[in-house]
Amino acid sequence: DVKVTQSSRYLVKRTGEKVFLECVQDMDHENMFWYRQDPGLGLRLIYFSYDVKMKEKGDIPEGYSVSREKKERFSLILESASTNQTSMYLCASSPDRNPSEAFFGQGTRLTVV
Amino acid sequence: TQLLEQSPQFLSIQEGENLTVYCNSSSVFSSLQWYRQEPGEGPVLLVTVVTGGEVKKLKRLTFQFGDARKDSSLHITAAQTGDTGLYLCAGGPRVHDMRFGAGTRLTVKP
Repeated sequence: DVKVTQSSRYLVKRTGEKVFLECVQDMDHENMFWYRQDPGLGLRLIYFSYDVKMKEKGDIPEGYSVSREKKERFSLILESASTNQTSMYLCASSPDRNPSEAFFGQGTRLTVV
Repeated sequence: TQLLEQSPQFLSIQEGENLTVYCNSSSVFSSLQWYRQEPGEGPVLLVTVVTGGEVKKLKRLTFQFGDARKDSSLHITAAQTGDTGLYLCAGGPRVHDMRFGAGTRLTVKP
């Protein structure tokens, strides 16, 4: 079974803190993604990576950065957390073929107070 | 503006009823996917449609890809309470650049 593991299910952070969300996949997938999910807005793509050290901005990259030093690990960084970044964060991975299929982690519910 | 528009946003029906939900875009896709998400979990792939006009069946679920490959529909026959969840369609300009619609939240009441 493909497994995508996110480091935390629930996280509470203070405004201004630097926050790291970690994601690890065990299927040697080339592509990895970070989305945030908010009611009525669906999943919005923050960043994606198609190879080690390669990244591209998605639709809402402001306030976020990412790191992919190893193929299996993709980290999302909130440089200075703000209350409007309170959300459900979902990590996904997919193989580099067409069509492809995304496998998701269980999500991290982040609350910034 | 979302790349993929889904309708309706919410749907509440009784067990045994039929329903159809839609996914529309102005863009052409090489493929579209449907996912289902249950509370507290990440989305799980149901099906991928690739060819314009393609119809795929998954038990009581029927998926159709529009002839122009810009839209798709999901039809559920005789809905069951276990079908309750958020249904998402997904596609993208590139295989590693996937976008999701906002989803249809389906509630099937006993």
